[in-house]
Amino acid sequence: SQQGEEDPQALSIQEGENATMNCSYKTSINNLQWYRQNSGRGLVHLILIRSNEREKHSGRLRVTLDTSKKSSSLLITASRAADTASYFCATAETSGSRLTFGEGTQLTVNP
Amino acid sequence: EAGVVQSPRYKIIEKKQPVAFWCNPISGHNTLYWYRQNLGQGPELLIRYENEEAVDDSQLPKDRFSAERLKGVDSTLKIQPAELGDSAVYLCASSLWLGPTGELFFGEGSRLTVL
Repeated sequence: SQQGEEDPQALSIQEGENATMNCSYKTSINNLQWYRQNSGRGLVHLILIRSNEREKHSGRLRVTLDTSKKSSSLLITASRAADTASYFCATAETSGSRLTFGEGTQLTVNP
Repeated sequence: EAGVVQSPRYKIIEKKQPVAFWCNPISGHNTLYWYRQNLGQGPELLIRYENEEAVDDSQLPKDRFSAERLKGVDSTLKIQPAELGDSAVYLCASSLWLGPTGELFFGEGSRLTVL
């Protein structure tokens, strides 16, 4: 079963624009992670945000976490064609059982 | 530093045939995962190893799937016999952290097509 749900399922923007993807989850978490997957490749870890953190930055990436709403967002600023990929959130439940991935957002950045 | 290595990258078999996938994790990573990813979906955990012990195999279909991790390093995932519904990408990942919640490093995956 998948805990995280990404929204939107697909997003198409122009180069230079910002891209925002959202993730909602159901149970209490220790941390939430975002991964990127280029077509036909494995997943690449982007950023991890702990449950006691509200915002985190890494280069052009900004992640926020609202534990009261059980939601997170990933913002990619000044997008590039190379950012075209699927983006997945993964939640680490406080029950400690496993890291569970959502179904992903397909981002297309048009040059 | 070498990443997670998986082989084969692609495998096409007929149903009822056996198939095996191999994974070499990043050196020093004690936790190893096998995930299955269906088209258009996120990865789903099949099994997690800490060193050589399978600590979470609750989602592994044990009637046809088996896995092993020899000496706590390389791992093999086997399907016997394969069914049409097993067509998917099988992803191996490893983590420096013990426990299920750390940052994962994924291989490129093994894409299985069952005809």
